[in-house]
Amino acid sequence: DVVMTQSPLSLPVTLGQPASISCRSSQSLVYSDGNTYLSWFHQRPGQSPRRLIYKVSKRDSGVPDRFSGSGSGTDFTLKISRVEAEDVGVYYCMQGSHLYTFGQGTKLEIK
Amino acid sequence: EVQLVESGGGLVQPGGSLRLSCAASGFIVSSSYMIWVRQAPGKGLEWVSVIYSGGNTYYADSVKGRFTISRDNSKNTLYLQMTSLRVEDTAVYYCTTGVSWGQGTLVTVSS
Repeated sequence: DVVMTQSPLSLPVTLGQPASISCRSSQSLVYSDGNTYLSWFHQRPGQSPRRLIYKVSKRDSGVPDRFSGSGSGTDFTLKISRVEAEDVGVYYCMQGSHLYTFGQGTKLEIK
Repeated sequence: EVQLVESGGGLVQPGGSLRLSCAASGFIVSSSYMIWVRQAPGKGLEWVSVIYSGGNTYYADSVKGRFTISRDNSKNTLYLQMTSLRVEDTAVYYCTTGVSWGQGTLVTVSS
């Protein structure tokens, strides 16, 4: 089974400052079709998750361009260029190349 | 606009059964994959099961042999039949297409 490891698990950030979350998989996420099925989700307290990024770096419709995804193989990163108050919550990476696995989650809070 | 509405959750005793439903609108459930994800109280997201457009189904090891995913194309609805329920199955259960998520339905397994 693929294990997804996120770091940090807690991320205090000052408003307007950048933030970065790492996600590592226990094996390559390159699928047989050449795509890499790595997504990022954001969940606010009491709400359903929202997908932000799919296939490593593609932003979903309506997602602000301050969110960006990058990486390849087993190492991936979600970056927020300037954190806003609405960005608080928990961020999860998820792989979909070998069935599905979520990371443990990273809780972003405002300092 | 895609809408997913889960129902069927509730309180059940250990060893009992429940069937969750996920009614879809603005989307044809048989046209793509659909996933069940759960979230235990205060915990992270856990993939439970997937059904692909071709009908193939897969399960997390934690539910294999106890849960069954299915869909009714005539009702455009996804299901999760849960049997031999355990206390550790207590969670909010979400159906999702990846980008679209329902509001979740709470399953509580307790005596």
